[in-house]
Amino acid sequence: GAVVSQHPSWVICKSGTSVKIECRSLDFQATTMFWYRQFPKQSLMLMATSNEGSKATYEQGVEKDKFLINHASLTLSTLTVTSAHPEDSSFYICSGEGTPNSPLHFGNGTRLTVT
Amino acid sequence: GQNIDQPTEMTATEGAIVQINCTYQTSGFNGLFWYQQHAGEAPTFLSYNVLDGLEEKGRFSSFLSRSKGYSYLLLKELQMKDSASYLCAVRFGSSNTGKLIFGQGTTLQVKP
Repeated sequence: GAVVSQHPSWVICKSGTSVKIECRSLDFQATTMFWYRQFPKQSLMLMATSNEGSKATYEQGVEKDKFLINHASLTLSTLTVTSAHPEDSSFYICSGEGTPNSPLHFGNGTRLTVT
Repeated sequence: GQNIDQPTEMTATEGAIVQINCTYQTSGFNGLFWYQQHAGEAPTFLSYNVLDGLEEKGRFSSFLSRSKGYSYLLLKELQMKDSASYLCAVRFGSSNTGKLIFGQGTTLQVKP
């Protein structure tokens, strides 16, 4: 149980374009979803916390106008990287939380490469 | 701050026991998790501690001391497949769904 599906697994896009990443909780309702970014050989850095039906809370230093997060339902959250640049190339991972204090369940991640 | 510290790298021998330590700032603490991550993959959940003491799960155990801001992950009977990065993550926040902050991870190499 507690499966999180993330799509796409990898994407290559040109500089200046936008990319949307989807995160779905398949067998539980995720009232809260977290978006992380991971650069090579580094740990996961929390980008933002999204709650269903409300605006996302962004961590310091993360541009909310660049990384648009939508959590329209209890099973779907999306992250859109707008006007992507090569420095946005990274591994983006979403996670969902079903019940309070339960372990986070992670999607398989999306490797974004911006050329 | 929410500094979470763990060693960057460790090496151990197949069949041995290894202990990975994690220290954190105690303010706002609301639970500690250990995850395993293989290169290029998403983290997988290993253990969860919110009260002091030892939680055992097969070959893996995790210990927590809230007063000391300290945890460790103990891996017994090491296997080659245990070579991975081990992430200590702490939930901070007074609400039940506070954010989860990760340490920098400990890369464990198991040698024959």
